[in-house]
Amino acid sequence: DVKVTQSSRYLVKRTGEKVFLECVQDMDHENMFWYRQDPGLGLRLIYFSYDVKMKEKGDIPEGYSVSREKKERFSLILESASTNQTSMYLCASSSEGKLANYGYTFGSGTRLTVV
Amino acid sequence: AQTVTQSQPEMSVQEAETVTLSCTYDTSENNYYLFWYKQPPSRQMILVIRQEAYKQQNATENRFSVNFQKAAKSFSLKISDSQLGDTAMYFCAFMKWETSGSRLTFGEGTQLTVNP
Repeated sequence: DVKVTQSSRYLVKRTGEKVFLECVQDMDHENMFWYRQDPGLGLRLIYFSYDVKMKEKGDIPEGYSVSREKKERFSLILESASTNQTSMYLCASSSEGKLANYGYTFGSGTRLTVV
Repeated sequence: AQTVTQSQPEMSVQEAETVTLSCTYDTSENNYYLFWYKQPPSRQMILVIRQEAYKQQNATENRFSVNFQKAAKSFSLKISDSQLGDTAMYFCAFMKWETSGSRLTFGEGTQLTVNP
């Protein structure tokens, strides 16, 4: 069964900490994405990557960075966590080209609380 | 930029009845794709149905069907014979094809509760 795996289901961090959210996919997908999900706002795109070592900003990149050193792994980094980054974070992946038009495969999400 | 709007934050339906979830979108593109995703309490996002904008025929997947009105930019989801397992958050999403890859833009979501 193909999978996108997020390393933590729940995470509690303190304000000012550097936080790493890890995502691994086993489908050999080129494209990977990080979204945050908030009630009433749906899913908003933070960053995405179409290839190893490349990244592009999404709609809400402020306060976040990403790393993609290997094709299967896409990390989201909160350089200095703040309480307004308390949210659900979803990772997703997709194939490139026309296959991407069939949608994404999602991880199960990491619920991050910053205290 | 594309926007997707789901105007019903919450809906409920009785088991075995039919319910329709609304979605509208705004785009200047002619070729694009539309999706409905389901997110049950397990949080796993599941693709429910997909529609290609250049196809006039509405997509159907078992009990799930869409009413795609391209001119009106409307993409509603109909769930027939609702089951308790259909209780979930439902997200409408838009994908414009871009040469550098694809991006999904989501609506705000509709929480559907199926009552026994």
